[in-house]
Order: sequence, then C-alpha cells, then structure tokens
Amino acid sequence: AQTVTQSQPEMSVQEAETVTLSCTYDTSESDYYLFWYKQPPSRQMILVIRQEAYKQQNATENRFSVNFQKAAKSFSLKISDSQLGDAAMYFCAYRRMTGTASKLTFGTGTRLQVTL
Amino acid sequence: KAGVTQTPRYLIKTRGQQVTLSCSPISGHRSVSWYQQTPGQGLQFLFEYFSETQRNKGNFPGRFSGRQFSNSRSEMNVSTLELGDSALYLCASSLEAYNTGELFFGEGSRLTVL
Repeated sequence: AQTVTQSQPEMSVQEAETVTLSCTYDTSESDYYLFWYKQPPSRQMILVIRQEAYKQQNATENRFSVNFQKAAKSFSLKISDSQLGDAAMYFCAYRRMTGTASKLTFGTGTRLQVTL
Repeated sequence: KAGVTQTPRYLIKTRGQQVTLSCSPISGHRSVSWYQQTPGQGLQFLFEYFSETQRNKGNFPGRFSGRQFSNSRSEMNVSTLELGDSALYLCASSLEAYNTGELFFGEGSRLTVL
C-alpha cells in the first residue's frame, strides 16, 4: 500500500521569504501522480501543483515549485515570496497513474503560518 | 462554471441516527469521490463513483454507503451513527479519473455526532 509522510506538522515563514515543505512517499509503482493541495481555513481543498512521476523536470506554478526526487521518493514544495494568503494546511498526496480508481492518498498535512 | 457543491454544510446528529450527504459535481464531471477528514485520522478515502458505478471503496465499515445518479450527483449515507463519525466529509469531482489526475473539491459537510 502507498503511504505519504509529512514530517513537519507546523511551519512558519515571514512574508516575502521562502519556505520549503517536505513530503516523502512509499510506493512500488513506477508511474504515478504527486500533488500538493492547500486547504485554507474556509476548508475548500485547492490544487497547488501536480507532478507526473515520468517527468524529470520539476513542476512550477508561479511562486510554487517542487523538488521531485524519484529515487529518494521525496516531493518537497517550495513557496517563494510568501504571502499572507498562503497561510493554510498543505497536504501532499499520491495517486496511481494506472488503474481504474482516482483515489488520493494524503499525508497528515503541514500547517503553514505566514507572519508579518 | 459552478464548483463542487455539497449540502448540507453543517449538521448535528445523535448516535444511532443516520445521515445522507449530497454532492453535485462540476458540470461535465463524471467521477465523484468522497473523503473523510478528522483530526486523528487525517484524510481518508471513502469511495469513488463513475457513471453510477462504485469503482473503488476505502476501508470503512458497511455503515458507510453511497450512490451516484445519472446526472453524476452523488449521495453518501452513514447509518447507525457513532461518535467517531464526527468529521468533515469532502466530495471531489473529476472529468474522468484517467486523464488529468486533478480532483476538484467541495467545501465539505461538517457532521457532528452527539
């Protein structure tokens, strides 16, 4: 079974600074998706960034980028120029690429605080 | 385009009762998944429906059930409620599970069992 581990329950960053959230996962499959989701206090989960395991290039979405290390099964999220609106719970998630199910396996989350 | 709509947003039940939660996916989305979110267990997959068929089920007791209608709307039901069923229940929809891999989530239904 696949597992996703986020070892940082809480992180804090100053506005305009950079922060990196860690995620490791375990799988025996070679093709899969990895995601970072953001859940603000309003609770709606929002996709931040997605990485396909077969792509060597790290995904980037504006201020958000990932460091995907397939061999190490590591998938960290870097947030540059942090903003107050980035404060939220961040969940790392895994999904198989093949098969008939769209089940996501989530980590336990990292609560990010952004301070002035 | 309207997002994923979940109703009700909040509800309070007592032990032994049953509850039905509703989810309307984004127009055109045919896959609907349900997740339970609790402080202790985190986010756990309940089940997924596509074209009115359950394609996958998580490790939950039979008290948890669901269905999908021809218009892709989905309902989940929890019977004989227990205190531990108190949670945020999230619904997510996607165009079709094989394609982009992106799920769009609703705001959830917060269930409190007393």
